[in-house]
Amino acid sequence: NAGVTQTPKFQVLKTGQSMTLQCAQDMNHNSMYWYRQDPGMGLRLIYYSASEGTTDKGEVPNGYNVSRLNKREFSLRLESAAPSQTSVYFCASSADGFSTDTQYFGPGTRLTVL
Amino acid sequence: DAKTTQPPSMDCAEGRAANLPCNHSTISGNEYVYWYRQIHSQGPQYIIHGLKNNETNEMASLIITEDRKSSTLILPHATLRDTAVYYCIVRVAFDRGSTLGRLYFGRGTQLTVWP
Repeated sequence: NAGVTQTPKFQVLKTGQSMTLQCAQDMNHNSMYWYRQDPGMGLRLIYYSASEGTTDKGEVPNGYNVSRLNKREFSLRLESAAPSQTSVYFCASSADGFSTDTQYFGPGTRLTVL
Repeated sequence: DAKTTQPPSMDCAEGRAANLPCNHSTISGNEYVYWYRQIHSQGPQYIIHGLKNNETNEMASLIITEDRKSSTLILPHATLRDTAVYYCIVRVAFDRGSTLGRLYFGRGTQLTVWP
């Protein structure tokens, strides 16, 4: 039982390049989330997926797209990377997203955009 | 739009209790208080949550004031491995009437446990 896994762990991009961050969970959770964390800051929600087949914007969705590929996997895509997207990206999942629900986080992807 | 206020840093001697305060004066009646911690840029780790009553689990205790405007996380016997950033979070609903709640992270408290 690996919990939430993320790939890659580290990535360096040039401005304008595209990439997809992968996230998978093996806890049979319905809800999944993408956050970003900038230095010295708390996490900010980019997108979330309440259940398979649905996605919605969070606080900071601009410049990102997401795909809920199936119940296990939720990917985050940067179509044209910008230096402002340099950050650590965390994926999380929870059983059903309700207010009493615990979110479990992956280890993060450290992205640098030059 | 800060939901919670925490001191930026605290320290504690190993083996002593660590008491981390949090103010959430604008909390609504159906909003939960969550605590997470983040050790050295790893993914945040869930600690405990509560609505009105005090809560205890194997990691910590959560004391919520009667008016729910503040709370305290207690680590009863802090160890060096408890050094981390601790986030007090009010779980807010995505939309009015929605039961789907998102975590609103602030900057947290850097707890340093010293030998």
